[in-house]
Order: sequence, then C-alpha cells, then structure tokens
Amino acid sequence: TQLLEQSPQFLSIQEGENLTVYCNSSSVFSSLQWYRQEPGEGPVLLVTVVTGGEVKKLKRLTFQFGDARKDSSLHITAAQPGDTGLYLCAAPRRDSNYQLIWGAGTKLIIKP
Amino acid sequence: SAVISQKPSRDICQRGTSLTIQCQVDSQVTMMFWYRQQPGQSLTLIATANQGSEATYESGFVIDKFPISRPNLTFSTLTVSNMSPEDSSIYLCSAKAPGNFNEQFFGPGTRLTVL
Repeated sequence: TQLLEQSPQFLSIQEGENLTVYCNSSSVFSSLQWYRQEPGEGPVLLVTVVTGGEVKKLKRLTFQFGDARKDSSLHITAAQPGDTGLYLCAAPRRDSNYQLIWGAGTKLIIKP
Repeated sequence: SAVISQKPSRDICQRGTSLTIQCQVDSQVTMMFWYRQQPGQSLTLIATANQGSEATYESGFVIDKFPISRPNLTFSTLTVSNMSPEDSSIYLCSAKAPGNFNEQFFGPGTRLTVL
C-alpha cells in the first residue's frame, strides 16, 4: 500500500520565521504534487516535481523532490500570514492512471 | 487551469433527507472526482465520475448512499442519501488536469451539516 506521511501535522509560527514541511514514503513515485488549501476553499496546486533531486521555487516557497523520488520537502522563507493554510502533498496512485494518494496534511498558521 | 464551481456552498439538513451537490467545470474534462474532507484534514476519495459510464466507488462508499451522475464533460452531481450526522463533512469535486501527472483542479467545496 502506498502511503504519504506528512510532518509536522500542525505548525504555528511567527511572521518572518522559516519552516520546512516534509512528505515521506517508502514508495517511489513518478512525480509528486503540493497543494495549499485555505479555509472555505478547495486545494490549489502549487507545484509538481518530477525528477529526483529537482528543486522548484515559487517566490518564498522552495520545493524539493528527493533523489530517490520517495520524499519531498516544502521550505518557506520569511513566512507571512498569507501563507496560512493546509498544505497537502499528493502523488499518482500506482494502480491508477488518473487518481492520487494524499498525505494527511500540515496545518500551518502564521501569526502576525 | 479549469475553474470549478459547486452548489450549494453549504447546507444544513435533517437526518433521513437527501442532498444533491452540483459541480460545474468551465471546460471539458475527462475525469471528475468526488472527495470528502473533515475540516483541517486530508481528502478521502468517494468516487471517480466518468462521462458515459457508471461511477467507480472507493472501498467504503456505495452507489445507493452516494449516487453520482455525469451527463456530460463539464458537469457532475453527487447525492448524499438518507443522511445521518456522520455525513456531516465538506464535499469537494475536482477534475483531472491535462497531462501525465494526475494533477487536479478543485471546486470550493460544499459544507454539509446534518442534524
């Protein structure tokens, strides 16, 4: 069974601090996605990483795919209140051409 | 990216009744999905809705409880039947994005409370 484990489950920090969220598995994935969900909204795709070791940057957010394509991290520099939300990692299900498996999510609160 | 709308955005229902949630996509999509989510938690896939065929349900979800329609490539409905308080949740529809990575676009969700 493919599983994506996210850590931490919950993080509350002050504005301006840095943080890292992790998404780990014992399975190898062809790609991995990160989504952010704000209260009252659906998840929004932030990035897809495909190549082992790949690093992608989205303003203050840096995403990395592990060399073995089993894990990924999301690093936020100088967090702002607008970064508050639920961060979800997801990856293609091995037994499907179109479905995803989802991590449990990291609830992030940035206090002003 | 596709824009997805859902109706209603929220509802409060009495146990034993049924609610139909509508999901409209602004472009044609092959695969649509229905999820359930408790606030602050991850997504649980209910079913995959294919146009022109029966929906495919995940373990623990059955068609009698969650009938789904997919009459065309831009629209789907999910009905929550014979509701109980345990059905209180956020229901999300999504559509598969073009490409090979199974990326999805989501609607804003329907927050359902069953009394």
